[in-house]
Amino acid sequence: SAVISQKPSRDICQRGTSLTIQCQVDSQVTMMFWYRQQPGQSLTLIATANQGSEATYESGFVIDKFPISRPNLTFSTLTVSNMSPEDSSIYLCSATTGGPNTEAFFGQGTRLTVV
Amino acid sequence: KQEVTQIPAALSVPEGENLVLNCSFTDSAIYNLQWFRQDPGKGLTSLLLIQSSQREQTSGRLNASLDKSSGRSTLYIAASQPGDSATYLCAAPNQAGTALIFGKGTTLSVSS
Repeated sequence: SAVISQKPSRDICQRGTSLTIQCQVDSQVTMMFWYRQQPGQSLTLIATANQGSEATYESGFVIDKFPISRPNLTFSTLTVSNMSPEDSSIYLCSATTGGPNTEAFFGQGTRLTVV
Repeated sequence: KQEVTQIPAALSVPEGENLVLNCSFTDSAIYNLQWFRQDPGKGLTSLLLIQSSQREQTSGRLNASLDKSSGRSTLYIAASQPGDSATYLCAAPNQAGTALIFGKGTTLSVSS
């Protein structure tokens, strides 16, 4: 298993600003992901964070809006850029310790409110 | 493309009742299916991972079944308690087997 810590746990931000969310895993993991959960909705994958290379984004998400870094096997960041109220969501980091089709673990999420 | 559906969307039961949450998926070529619990405003807690080679997986009062041929999974909760009140999400791997596709969840309320 893996324990995932996210910081901050919540924040209230002004529109037009940016917020960087950090995700730290307590052990080396093979894959890391970022999801978004809009109010009242289920989780949607934003991107796969690739170690040492550019993240792989899902349709509808772009690097300029959601730049992601993954400098090593235990750490990743997601930045929400030029925020608008529509970005108000819970952002969740996830990781798998094995290869494809292995169990996924999640952080406690970052609750973002943009005013 | 994998799609995951959960019914019912919400469920209210009195304490002590046994209940079943349903999950269906469109692409039966999955290696596993995972059930999660989410408390309001919080992250996800993994409850059960059931592999395609298994028909059932149990953890305490929870039992998950998987029927790939029919594209269905169920989560059975025995002797429900108020502390079980939460949203339950089921998720299946995407085609690459990397990330997860989630259903919209079933919000369970157990009254004492």
